[in-house]
Amino acid sequence: DQQVKQNSPSLSVQEGRISILNCDYTNSMFDYFLWYKKYPAEGPTFLISISSIKDKNEDGRFTVFLNKSAKHLSLHIVPSQPGDSAVYFCAASAGTPLVFGKGTRLSVIA
Amino acid sequence: ETGVTQSPTHLIKTRGQQVTLRCSSQSGHNTVSWYQQALGQGPQFIFQYYREEENGRGNFPPRFSGLQFPNYSSELNVNALELDDSALYLCASSRQGAYNSPLHFGNGTRLTVT
Repeated sequence: DQQVKQNSPSLSVQEGRISILNCDYTNSMFDYFLWYKKYPAEGPTFLISISSIKDKNEDGRFTVFLNKSAKHLSLHIVPSQPGDSAVYFCAASAGTPLVFGKGTRLSVIA
Repeated sequence: ETGVTQSPTHLIKTRGQQVTLRCSSQSGHNTVSWYQQALGQGPQFIFQYYREEENGRGNFPPRFSGLQFPNYSSELNVNALELDDSALYLCASSRQGAYNSPLHFGNGTRLTVT
């Protein structure tokens, strides 16, 4: 029973364009959401988070949007750069340990 | 600021053996969490340690055990290894005992059980 779902295993985007990574969750008790990026042979690196009292959080090229009614969040990367090519994990918490999705592999093509 | 370090980076063990993985937390962090990432999956929570006590456990059998030391470093022990234990084991540290703070991960230990 997956509580956090990333339904797109992979995504390809041209350099300079917007990358949109999506995540759905089923547990309405989740109140804290995070995105992590993972390169091969490295651990996941924290990117950006959002609490359930907000619907948007921005940090440079990265913006996370939260739609609580739809139980959906998305990560926007603008503009996308080749160095953004990695696996992106969505994670959620309800005052409990983080629950991760399976990840989406983003490829940014120069 | 020293990040989370894990050792060893790779390990090959035989089914039935025991293994110990080690983690040094990031400077200033007092909480350590361990995750298992199987191939093609996201990290799954094994357990967390805060002030040298287990502070939460995921759906893993008792043969997965851990320790935290006064300097906040930690060990993950797995007894009676099974083939399905083959995975990347990630250690993460954070600043407080609560769950709602970003975790900072090490690069993991890749365990292969044959």
